[in-house]
Amino acid sequence: GAVVSQHPSRVICKSGTSVKIECRSLDFQATTMFWYRQFPKKSLMLMATSNEGSKATYEQGVEKDKFLINHASLTLSTLTVTSAHPEDSSFYICSARDGGRAPQEQYFGPGTRLTVT
Amino acid sequence: KNQVEQSPQSLIILEGKNCTLQCNYTVSPFSNLRWYKQDTGRGPVSLTIMTFSENTKSNGRYTATLDADTKQSSLHITASQLSDSASYICVVSVDGRGDMRFGAGTRLTVKP
Repeated sequence: GAVVSQHPSRVICKSGTSVKIECRSLDFQATTMFWYRQFPKKSLMLMATSNEGSKATYEQGVEKDKFLINHASLTLSTLTVTSAHPEDSSFYICSARDGGRAPQEQYFGPGTRLTVT
Repeated sequence: KNQVEQSPQSLIILEGKNCTLQCNYTVSPFSNLRWYKQDTGRGPVSLTIMTFSENTKSNGRYTATLDADTKQSSLHITASQLSDSASYICVVSVDGRGDMRFGAGTRLTVKP
């Protein structure tokens, strides 16, 4: 089946620094990728929708200047958490939509655990 | 109010037993409904996906049902195994927009 990878799987950073998380679709082209945030024992919360070659669409309440999203190719999207603070500590999950399948299948990455100290 | 409601919130069963998880939704217009399994600290993995015209779909020991009239779905797990311990998330897609609405999930614990 289709695979979506994320890197890194875990990252610990100091408050004030920036962290970049990569999301790759490994065997299909993803015109649309999604970034989610998940708190312990809670469901996924959509942060933004990333379209290849265009600006990302952010959900209400998500700061676009803090969570920078770049979708430069059909297989790669990146999320950069700028000037991270402890409250940004969370589990970040990306997913990629395989537009070649019907109904459109959406595959999730394994997630990235961010801890800001 | 969440448009996708799952029950129960958590469930504990003994290994080898069957269980059924419920998902009720109010999402409209409906495109498809998916069940995902999410292990702790991992991303969700797709179990089944059903469109309006499908009312049952199986994937090994997992069988999902869909009643589009009553807007209800269930996920039945047969002969549970310890590795089935995870959160099971119901996700409904909005037709024409591709938006996905996530349920809060059911946390299943299978004990030996």
